[in-house]
Amino acid sequence: DADVTQTPRNRITKTGKRIMLECSQTKGHDRMYWYRQDPGLGLRLIYYSFDVKDINKGEISDGYSVSRQAQAKFSLSLESAIPNQTALYFCATSDRTGLEQYFGPGTRLTVT
Amino acid sequence: ELKVEQNPLFLSMQEGKNYTIYCNYSTTSDRLYWYRQDPGKSLESLFVLLSNGAVKQEGRLMASLDTKARLSTLHITAAVHDLSATYFCAFEYGNKLVFGAGTILRVKS
Repeated sequence: DADVTQTPRNRITKTGKRIMLECSQTKGHDRMYWYRQDPGLGLRLIYYSFDVKDINKGEISDGYSVSRQAQAKFSLSLESAIPNQTALYFCATSDRTGLEQYFGPGTRLTVT
Repeated sequence: ELKVEQNPLFLSMQEGKNYTIYCNYSTTSDRLYWYRQDPGKSLESLFVLLSNGAVKQEGRLMASLDTKARLSTLHITAAVHDLSATYFCAFEYGNKLVFGAGTILRVKS
């Protein structure tokens, strides 16, 4: 079984809708991250959490919110989706050293 | 500004030839990462470079780090088709990773 899972893997939604992307991990890591990937821009950090009570904004947090429900779960919400949020979204985890990040399989989100 | 510049952004390679991808980053960091991404797939860690002068090799790939120049290189020896993918470098700053735009590598026979 995969250590870092994301659901859904693909989603098409309409402008204005609320959508939640979920991430779960079995690695026992404290740190979790949400990134978005756009062609030609690499990965950009949206939010990160170093433990259950810690939530921090990343480079591009506007229009997004997160919830860390447990050590193993970190959800990303788009309160009112817009077309320029169409992207590939990755969740990642790392241990307390932060030495390596392990990425989930990604969620492809399309906002029409 | 935290920034990573990779070049080239696209590299069309002949099988059997050698090439280098360059990664320049904007601020002091002792951790530099290289990842590989196949189309439609997630990121796979290739190398973690932790100190000035660090060199790591895996198969036909070799990565090095010069922290004084804020430069890392990924050298490809005798390219083969299986190396076709997108390669990202990233540096660590404040417990976060800052990624480059990626280099798309295509190996032609």
